[in-house]
Amino acid sequence: EPEVTQTPSHQVTQMGQEVILRCVPISNHLYFYWYRQILGQKVEFLVSFYNNEISEKSEIFDDQFSVERPDGSNFTLKIRSTKLEDSAMYFCASSEQSNTGELFFGEGSRLTVL
Amino acid sequence: AQSVTQLDSHVSVSEGTPVLLRCNYSSSYSPSLFWYVQHPNKGLQLLLKYTSAATLVKGINGFEAEFKKSETSFHLTKPSAHMSDAAEYFCVLRASGGYNKLIFGAGTRLAVHP
Repeated sequence: EPEVTQTPSHQVTQMGQEVILRCVPISNHLYFYWYRQILGQKVEFLVSFYNNEISEKSEIFDDQFSVERPDGSNFTLKIRSTKLEDSAMYFCASSEQSNTGELFFGEGSRLTVL
Repeated sequence: AQSVTQLDSHVSVSEGTPVLLRCNYSSSYSPSLFWYVQHPNKGLQLLLKYTSAATLVKGINGFEAEFKKSETSFHLTKPSAHMSDAAEYFCVLRASGGYNKLIFGAGTRLAVHP
């Protein structure tokens, strides 16, 4: 069964460092997403991406964050200068359709900022 | 505003007994609702979805949910719990406006004991 894969599964970084989280969506999917879950809090939407553009982003997704699909298979989330409060589980997801399709989620990348 | 409330943070049942995980939603639009499950160290997996067809929705692994508009509820049930059902369950609302932005409940951790 096709699946969304994420790397790394866990990353520890120092505050102020740049981090790139990588995702390989399901191959025929066209819509891509990042969600995150801070420990003890709800899973929350960060950004959706289609046709090499951000479709929608939340207020969390400020200038420190960026997304990219650099090579037609990977979908990345970059945090330019990490803060302590960026520590969370980050989930990548993809879907075939924009508003009716099921989202398929990866297993998540746990980011710990020290 | 659209929101999801999961009424129980933890539910504990004995193997072979029924499961009830409660969810209420708030939406001024006709909602699309989902239940996702997350097993330890795994991604979020779709259990079932309601998208304005039948109000009783059957999902995988014997789970089902009933959409009740009058009660703004979408409770998840299973007649007989199995040890492998132990996981975290999320009730999820698709936000209006496109782009598959999902609004998550806080999650219910289901424990199943022998």
